[in-house]
Amino acid sequence: DGGITQSPKYLFRKEGQNVTLSCEQNLNHDAMYWYRQDPGQGLRLIYYSQIVNDFQKGDIAEGYSVSREKKESFPLTVTSAQKNPTAFYLCASSPRQGGSYGYTFGSGTRLTVV
Amino acid sequence: DQQVKQNSPSLSVQEGRISILNCDYTNSMFDYFLWYKKYPAEGPTFLISISSIKDKNEDGRFTVFLNKSAKHLSLHIVPSQPGDSAVYFCAASDNDMRFGAGTRLTVKP
Repeated sequence: DGGITQSPKYLFRKEGQNVTLSCEQNLNHDAMYWYRQDPGQGLRLIYYSQIVNDFQKGDIAEGYSVSREKKESFPLTVTSAQKNPTAFYLCASSPRQGGSYGYTFGSGTRLTVV
Repeated sequence: DQQVKQNSPSLSVQEGRISILNCDYTNSMFDYFLWYKKYPAEGPTFLISISSIKDKNEDGRFTVFLNKSAKHLSLHIVPSQPGDSAVYFCAASDNDMRFGAGTRLTVKP
């Protein structure tokens, strides 16, 4: 079965540490996305990638970094520069960029700063 | 700047009745609209969509209506079932997807 896998499901980080969230898809989708969910704010776009070795900043990219070395993988690093990293992080993919293709979401990673 | 707004954070309906979830948008360039359903600690799953060239799309118990002049869309669920209880996100797209804040629907038996 094709799908998109995020790991870990729960992650705890000490202040000042960088952490990396994993996102892997076997749907052969070109486009991948990272969103952040906070209560009452919906999903906000952090970064997206339309193709391997290319990615673009979304609305709230500060304090985050990504890479897209393989089509299947789009890891997100939450750096110590991110002031308020505690949130629910969602990875998504689509055949091409654009809403008409529909997004497939992973099950999310809940990051908590301790 | 929220381009997609869901002004009702929660909605409660009785089983068997109609649920109507509303969504407003500001960007007239949006050409595709979607509804996603989300259970706690899971990713959203696609529910139904509509292109800007249509004003209605139906899929079983779910119907989405689009009023382009009012920049408004709505999701109707008839009849509502307890398993429909979840958070519903409205989304709109031109090239990028923008999501509303979600509406938590509770269907009471």
